[in-house]
Amino acid sequence: GAVVSQHPSWVICKSGTSVKIECRSLDFQATTMFWYRQFPKQSLMLMATSNEGSKATYEQGVEKDKFLINHASLTLSTLTVTSAHPEDSSFYICSADDGTSGYNEQFFGPGTRLTVL
Amino acid sequence: AQSVSQHNHHVILSEAASLELGCNYSYGGTVNLFWYVQYPGQHLQLLLKYFSGDPLVKGIKGFEAEFIKSKFSFNLRKPSVQWSDTAEYFCAVTGNAGNMLTFGGGTRLMVKP
Repeated sequence: GAVVSQHPSWVICKSGTSVKIECRSLDFQATTMFWYRQFPKQSLMLMATSNEGSKATYEQGVEKDKFLINHASLTLSTLTVTSAHPEDSSFYICSADDGTSGYNEQFFGPGTRLTVL
Repeated sequence: AQSVSQHNHHVILSEAASLELGCNYSYGGTVNLFWYVQYPGQHLQLLLKYFSGDPLVKGIKGFEAEFIKSKFSFNLRKPSVQWSDTAEYFCAVTGNAGNMLTFGGGTRLMVKP
């Protein structure tokens, strides 16, 4: 149980285009989903927290207009990188909290590697 | 704000050696503690977690960790590592006041066959 998927797993795009990444909880309802970014050889940095049906909460320094997050249902959250540039190239990871453990345990997706040319 | 530090950035061991990876956190309240592993090219996997109770926690693949509240530490241990343990290990913490998971910088472990 508690499986989280991401699609696509790998994407290459031209500078200036927008890229949408999907995060799905496959066998549970995710009350909260999280988006992280991981640069090579670095740790995960939380970008934003999203709750179903409400606006995402962004961490300091993360541009909300550039990284659009939509949490339309209890099983799907999307991250859209708008007008992507080479510096946005990174590994984007989502996680989900089913809200049942009471201990804030998150289940992670496999990540999406974005390369912007 | 909570923070997590992992003192060892890179560790190289021979097979059968014992492993201990340090993790210290900074948070004033009750914490939930996690160790995650990321094998090369794969996603994060939970190794073990501590919420309450016995401070010595057993995880998968022979790993264990000990929560020492007085030292704000949650070190990861394994008595005998294998080549397949080569991976990056992340310590993480959440506080009960919220569900934000804060990660340490990670420790890259290489086990030589």
